[in-house]
Amino acid sequence: SQQGEEDPQALSIQEGENATMNCSYKTSINNLQWYRQNSGRGLVHLILIRSNEREKHSGRLRVTLDTSKKSSSLLITASRAADTASYFCATAAWGDTGRRALTFGSGTRLQVQP
Amino acid sequence: DARVTQTPRHKVTEMGQEVTMRCQPILGHNTVFWYRQTMMQGLELLAYFRNRAPLDDSGMPKDRFSAEMPDATLATLKIQPSEPRDSAVYFCASGLVIGGPTDTQYFGPGTRLTVL
Repeated sequence: SQQGEEDPQALSIQEGENATMNCSYKTSINNLQWYRQNSGRGLVHLILIRSNEREKHSGRLRVTLDTSKKSSSLLITASRAADTASYFCATAAWGDTGRRALTFGSGTRLQVQP
Repeated sequence: DARVTQTPRHKVTEMGQEVTMRCQPILGHNTVFWYRQTMMQGLELLAYFRNRAPLDDSGMPKDRFSAEMPDATLATLKIQPSEPRDSAVYFCASGLVIGGPTDTQYFGPGTRLTVL
Protein backbone atom coordinates (compact mmCIF):
# COMPACT_ATOMS: atom_id res chain seq x y z
CA SER A 1 0.00 0.00 0.00
CA GLN A 2 1.13 3.53 -0.63
CA GLN A 3 2.23 5.39 2.47
CA GLY A 4 2.97 8.65 0.72
CA GLU A 5 0.60 10.19 -1.77
CA GLU A 6 1.81 13.08 -3.88
CA ASP A 7 -0.31 15.94 -5.05
CA PRO A 8 -0.71 17.01 -7.78
CA GLN A 9 -0.19 13.96 -9.98
CA ALA A 10 1.04 16.19 -12.78
CA LEU A 11 2.25 19.78 -12.90
CA SER A 12 3.20 21.92 -15.89
CA ILE A 13 4.90 25.27 -15.41
CA GLN A 14 7.06 27.74 -17.31
CA GLU A 15 10.79 27.99 -16.82
CA GLY A 16 11.60 30.41 -14.02
CA GLU A 17 8.42 29.71 -12.07
CA ASN A 18 8.35 27.89 -8.75
CA ALA A 19 7.01 24.35 -8.48
CA THR A 20 5.36 23.03 -5.34
CA MET A 21 4.57 19.39 -4.74
CA ASN A 22 2.87 17.95 -1.70
CA CYS A 23 3.04 14.59 -0.01
CA SER A 24 0.72 13.14 2.59
CA TYR A 25 1.35 10.03 4.62
CA LYS A 26 -0.57 7.95 7.10
CA THR A 27 1.61 6.60 9.89
CA SER A 28 4.31 8.01 12.15
CA ILE A 29 7.66 8.37 10.46
CA ASN A 30 11.31 8.72 11.33
CA ASN A 31 12.24 10.57 8.17
CA LEU A 32 10.81 11.61 4.82
CA GLN A 33 12.81 11.74 1.63
CA TRP A 34 12.28 13.18 -1.82
CA TYR A 35 13.60 11.53 -4.95
CA ARG A 36 13.67 12.54 -8.60
CA GLN A 37 13.34 10.20 -11.55
CA ASN A 38 14.16 11.25 -15.08
CA SER A 39 12.43 9.31 -17.81
CA GLY A 40 13.94 5.86 -18.22
CA ARG A 41 16.36 6.28 -15.34
CA GLY A 42 16.67 5.25 -11.71
CA LEU A 43 15.61 7.39 -8.79
CA VAL A 44 18.01 9.97 -7.44
CA HIS A 45 17.92 11.08 -3.83
CA LEU A 46 17.31 14.81 -3.42
CA ILE A 47 16.83 15.58 0.23
CA LEU A 48 15.99 13.96 3.57
CA ILE A 49 14.13 15.60 6.42
CA ARG A 50 13.86 13.99 9.85
CA SER A 51 10.72 13.95 11.95
CA ASN A 52 12.16 16.50 14.39
CA GLU A 53 12.91 18.97 11.59
CA ARG A 54 10.40 21.39 10.10
CA GLU A 55 12.25 22.81 7.12
CA LYS A 56 15.33 22.03 5.10
CA HIS A 57 17.05 23.66 2.15
CA SER A 58 19.35 22.33 -0.52
CA GLY A 59 20.20 24.68 -3.38
CA ARG A 60 16.92 25.53 -5.13
CA LEU A 61 15.03 22.94 -3.10
CA ARG A 62 13.06 23.66 0.02
CA VAL A 63 11.32 20.91 1.94
CA THR A 64 8.89 21.36 4.80
CA LEU A 65 7.49 18.74 7.12
CA ASP A 66 4.38 19.03 9.27
CA THR A 67 4.14 15.91 11.40
CA SER A 68 0.85 17.04 12.98
CA LYS A 69 -0.75 17.06 9.52
CA LYS A 70 1.35 14.16 8.26
CA SER A 71 2.36 16.13 5.21
CA SER A 72 5.42 17.45 3.45
CA SER A 73 6.01 19.83 0.57
CA LEU A 74 8.83 20.16 -1.93
CA LEU A 75 9.41 23.57 -3.46
CA ILE A 76 11.67 23.99 -6.47
CA THR A 77 12.45 27.65 -7.02
CA ALA A 78 13.35 29.23 -10.36
CA SER A 79 12.62 26.04 -12.23
CA ARG A 80 14.59 24.98 -15.29
CA ALA A 81 13.73 22.72 -18.20
CA ALA A 82 16.20 20.22 -16.73
CA ASP A 83 13.96 19.90 -13.66
CA THR A 84 11.42 18.05 -15.82
CA ALA A 85 11.06 14.67 -14.11
CA SER A 86 8.87 12.68 -11.74
CA TYR A 87 9.26 13.46 -8.06
CA PHE A 88 8.55 10.91 -5.34
CA CYS A 89 8.28 11.20 -1.61
CA ALA A 90 9.28 8.24 0.51
CA THR A 91 8.79 7.65 4.19
CA ALA A 92 10.87 5.65 6.64
CA ALA A 93 9.23 4.39 9.80
CA TRP A 94 10.82 2.77 12.79
CA GLY A 95 8.67 -0.32 13.15
CA ASP A 96 8.56 -2.74 16.04
CA THR A 97 11.55 -4.62 14.79
CA GLY A 98 13.20 -1.75 12.96
CA ARG A 99 12.78 -3.63 9.74
CA ARG A 100 10.66 -1.22 7.79
CA ALA A 101 12.01 -0.13 4.44
CA LEU A 102 11.13 3.03 2.57
CA THR A 103 7.60 3.34 1.24
CA PHE A 104 7.27 5.38 -1.91
CA GLY A 105 4.35 7.46 -3.09
CA SER A 106 2.93 7.47 -6.59
CA GLY A 107 4.86 10.53 -7.71
CA THR A 108 4.27 13.95 -9.28
CA ARG A 109 5.18 14.40 -12.93
CA LEU A 110 6.68 17.86 -13.39
CA GLN A 111 6.97 19.40 -16.84
CA VAL A 112 8.93 22.63 -17.10
CA GLN A 113 8.32 24.41 -20.38
CA PRO A 114 11.30 26.35 -21.76
CA ASP B 1 32.05 7.92 -8.36
CA ALA B 2 30.41 4.96 -6.59
CA ARG B 3 27.16 3.76 -8.05
CA VAL B 4 24.85 0.78 -8.09
CA THR B 5 25.14 -1.31 -11.24
CA GLN B 6 22.53 -3.61 -12.70
CA THR B 7 22.68 -6.15 -15.46
CA PRO B 8 21.20 -6.65 -17.92
CA ARG B 9 19.78 -3.21 -18.71
CA HIS B 10 17.18 -4.70 -21.04
CA LYS B 11 15.78 -8.21 -21.28
CA VAL B 12 13.19 -9.58 -23.66
CA THR B 13 12.12 -13.14 -23.07
CA GLU B 14 9.28 -15.49 -23.73
CA MET B 15 6.72 -16.60 -21.20
CA GLY B 16 7.92 -19.54 -19.16
CA GLN B 17 11.61 -18.71 -19.41
CA GLU B 18 13.83 -18.08 -16.41
CA VAL B 19 15.07 -14.54 -15.89
CA THR B 20 17.96 -13.57 -13.64
CA MET B 21 18.74 -9.95 -12.83
CA ARG B 22 21.92 -8.94 -11.08
CA CYS B 23 22.87 -6.00 -8.92
CA GLN B 24 26.17 -4.81 -7.55
CA PRO B 25 25.54 -2.53 -4.58
CA ILE B 26 27.85 0.31 -3.62
CA LEU B 27 30.87 -1.02 -1.77
CA GLY B 28 30.35 -0.70 1.98
CA HIS B 29 26.58 -0.49 1.87
CA ASN B 30 24.82 -3.02 4.09
CA THR B 31 21.27 -2.84 2.75
CA VAL B 32 19.97 -3.86 -0.66
CA PHE B 33 16.48 -3.38 -2.02
CA TRP B 34 14.68 -4.73 -5.06
CA TYR B 35 11.80 -2.68 -6.48
CA ARG B 36 9.50 -3.14 -9.42
CA GLN B 37 8.04 -0.17 -11.26
CA THR B 38 5.04 -0.23 -13.57
CA MET B 39 2.70 2.47 -14.78
CA MET B 40 -0.24 0.85 -13.03
CA GLN B 41 1.31 -0.05 -9.66
CA GLY B 42 4.05 2.52 -9.36
CA LEU B 43 7.13 1.59 -7.34
CA GLU B 44 6.71 -1.60 -5.32
CA LEU B 45 9.17 -3.05 -2.84
CA LEU B 46 9.87 -6.69 -3.61
CA ALA B 47 12.66 -7.61 -1.21
CA TYR B 48 14.99 -6.03 1.31
CA PHE B 49 18.31 -7.35 2.60
CA ARG B 50 20.42 -6.13 5.47
CA ASN B 51 23.91 -7.55 5.93
CA ARG B 52 22.95 -10.11 3.26
CA ALA B 53 20.06 -11.47 5.32
CA PRO B 54 16.53 -11.10 3.93
CA LEU B 55 14.48 -8.79 6.16
CA ASP B 56 11.33 -8.42 4.14
CA ASP B 57 10.25 -10.19 0.99
CA SER B 58 6.53 -9.91 1.58
CA GLY B 59 6.07 -7.95 -1.63
CA MET B 60 7.45 -10.74 -3.75
CA PRO B 61 5.36 -13.53 -5.31
CA LYS B 62 7.07 -16.48 -3.64
CA ASP B 63 5.97 -19.08 -6.12
CA ARG B 64 8.01 -17.65 -8.95
CA PHE B 65 10.33 -15.00 -7.55
CA SER B 66 13.45 -15.50 -5.48
CA ALA B 67 16.03 -13.02 -4.23
CA GLU B 68 19.45 -13.83 -2.86
CA MET B 69 22.73 -12.24 -1.87
CA PRO B 70 25.46 -14.81 -2.49
CA ASP B 71 28.00 -12.29 -1.25
CA ALA B 72 28.21 -8.65 -0.26
CA THR B 73 28.95 -7.53 -3.81
CA LEU B 74 26.14 -9.33 -5.60
CA ALA B 75 22.37 -9.46 -5.27
CA THR B 76 20.21 -11.49 -7.62
CA LEU B 77 16.51 -11.51 -8.44
CA LYS B 78 15.23 -14.53 -10.28
CA ILE B 79 11.88 -15.16 -11.90
CA GLN B 80 11.01 -18.72 -12.86
CA PRO B 81 8.82 -19.17 -14.81
CA SER B 82 8.32 -15.65 -16.14
CA GLU B 83 4.88 -14.37 -17.16
CA PRO B 84 3.79 -11.37 -19.27
CA ARG B 85 2.53 -9.60 -16.13
CA ASP B 86 6.12 -9.55 -14.85
CA SER B 87 6.99 -7.01 -17.54
CA ALA B 88 8.27 -3.97 -15.67
CA VAL B 89 11.42 -2.07 -14.77
CA TYR B 90 13.24 -3.69 -11.87
CA PHE B 91 15.39 -1.45 -9.74
CA CYS B 92 18.04 -2.35 -7.23
CA ALA B 93 19.02 0.15 -4.56
CA SER B 94 21.57 0.08 -1.78
CA GLY B 95 22.17 2.06 1.37
CA LEU B 96 24.03 2.16 4.65
CA VAL B 97 21.97 1.73 7.79
CA ILE B 98 23.52 1.77 11.24
CA GLY B 99 21.14 1.02 14.09
CA GLY B 100 18.24 3.00 12.70
CA PRO B 101 15.52 3.08 10.09
CA THR B 102 16.17 3.32 6.41
CA ASP B 103 18.12 6.35 5.28
CA THR B 104 19.14 7.46 1.78
CA GLN B 105 18.91 4.86 -0.94
CA TYR B 106 21.03 4.85 -4.07
CA PHE B 107 19.32 3.42 -7.11
CA GLY B 108 20.72 1.54 -10.03
CA PRO B 109 19.66 2.30 -13.62
CA GLY B 110 17.16 -0.55 -13.67
CA THR B 111 16.52 -3.62 -15.78
CA ARG B 112 13.67 -3.24 -18.26
CA LEU B 113 12.05 -6.66 -18.56
CA THR B 114 9.61 -7.57 -21.30
CA VAL B 115 7.97 -10.98 -21.18
CA LEU B 116 6.22 -11.90 -24.41
